Amino acid sequence: DTGVSQDPRHKITKRGQNVTFRCDPISEHNRLYWYRQTLGQGPEFLTYFQNEAQLEKSRLLSDRFSAERPKGSFSTLEIQRTEQGDSAMYLCASSYSPYEQYFGPGTRLTVT
Amino acid sequence: SQQGEEDPQALSIQEGENATMNCSYKTSINNLQWYRQNSGRGLVHLILIRSNEREKHSGRLRVTLDTSKKSSSLLITASRAADTASYFCATEAGSYQLTFGKGTKLSVIP
Repeated sequence: DTGVSQDPRHKITKRGQNVTFRCDPISEHNRLYWYRQTLGQGPEFLTYFQNEAQLEKSRLLSDRFSAERPKGSFSTLEIQRTEQGDSAMYLCASSYSPYEQYFGPGTRLTVT
Repeated sequence: SQQGEEDPQALSIQEGENATMNCSYKTSINNLQWYRQNSGRGLVHLILIRSNEREKHSGRLRVTLDTSKKSSSLLITASRAADTASYFCATEAGSYQLTFGKGTKLSVIP
């Protein structure tokens, strides 16, 4: 399968714990995006990488959130000191052109 | 924040009928895209229409764009049960990030 993959698919954690998600983009894609989607809503942009450079960050990305893309390949999204409001689906997407984005299956986070 | 609104929020039709979903947005855009999402899964890109285009077709899909009204519509012809999903419009305004609406939930009854 050469699509975007995300790991884990589901994560249940207790409030206050740290969690880290991984995204592996399509190999030739130099752009990588993170979105968050809550129930009944469309995805909301979090951050964007071109190669290893993080070029944009949403105001939604508080200080507890950090994303990296070392060497311009896979990316990680870490949430520190999780809160119940962080419960959501975290979606990763990649693209080669600045247009069509290919999405992964998402990581569903539940904070108890 | 959400860029726009899809209308209707939910749509239920019989297999074989056509389904039309509308999207309105607020700011100038470079392009508008439609995505499909099956329950609890990732999004699948359906079609992209640039701001200088008025209509585009892809298989059973027809998309129109009216930049003067800041609106778009997605028509799915001869619907199938497999078309049951949520459909989102997303706008791109020059920063490469996509801004999504809240989606239309389509149910196609066999």
